[in-house]
Amino acid sequence: AQSVTQPDIHITVSEGASLELRCNYSYGATPYLFWYVQSPGQGLQLLLKYFSGDTLVQGIKGFEAEFKRSQSSFNLRKPSVHWSDAAEYFCAVGPYNTDKLIFGTGTRLQVFP
Amino acid sequence: NAGVTQTPKFRVLKTGQSMTLLCAQDMNHEYMYWYRQDPGMGLRLIHYSVGEGTTAKGEVPDGYNVSRLKKQNFLLGLESAAPSQTSVYFCASSGGTRPSYNEQFFGPGTRLTVL
Repeated sequence: AQSVTQPDIHITVSEGASLELRCNYSYGATPYLFWYVQSPGQGLQLLLKYFSGDTLVQGIKGFEAEFKRSQSSFNLRKPSVHWSDAAEYFCAVGPYNTDKLIFGTGTRLQVFP
Repeated sequence: NAGVTQTPKFRVLKTGQSMTLLCAQDMNHEYMYWYRQDPGMGLRLIHYSVGEGTTAKGEVPDGYNVSRLKKQNFLLGLESAAPSQTSVYFCASSGGTRPSYNEQFFGPGTRLTVL
């Protein structure tokens, strides 16, 4: 069965530090991959997505993610975190030719000044 | 252009009561989804719809019913609420012909408490 694992439940970083959020998926082929962000009290917003081609994808708010087929991973990165990046981040996979996404359990990011 | 809206934003129910959550989208999207979000469990799909007049079960459909009588609206019903249905409910919609790679647009959520 397809699944998504976000091994870090909660991450704390200092403002200005770099960030990497981990995501691993289990699927027989390369699925479509997404990162969403949920600010407190709000719905989810798409940060970036990967379908094929260049394995490093750029998203909004200065985020990027790298697809590594050999590791079944799609980790999210940001070189310098801002206090406004404090939120919950969800990785999701869209198995080919299905009607829905499978979400990970999320990583809550806390940013200290 | 309001995107995806949800009504109500908050609701408290007693066990056994019924209610309907309304989701509306103004983007002419074919696909609509209802999720529940619980701490440590991420988003779990309850029901979804691939077009007007269609519905399908997701990962956790028990205790819920849905209807999509109009393309822009997707209703989620709880016939007899239980404390286990205390959660935050999100509606989402997506367009295009291949939903697994199209962006889903989310509403702001409905926080439901069942006492």
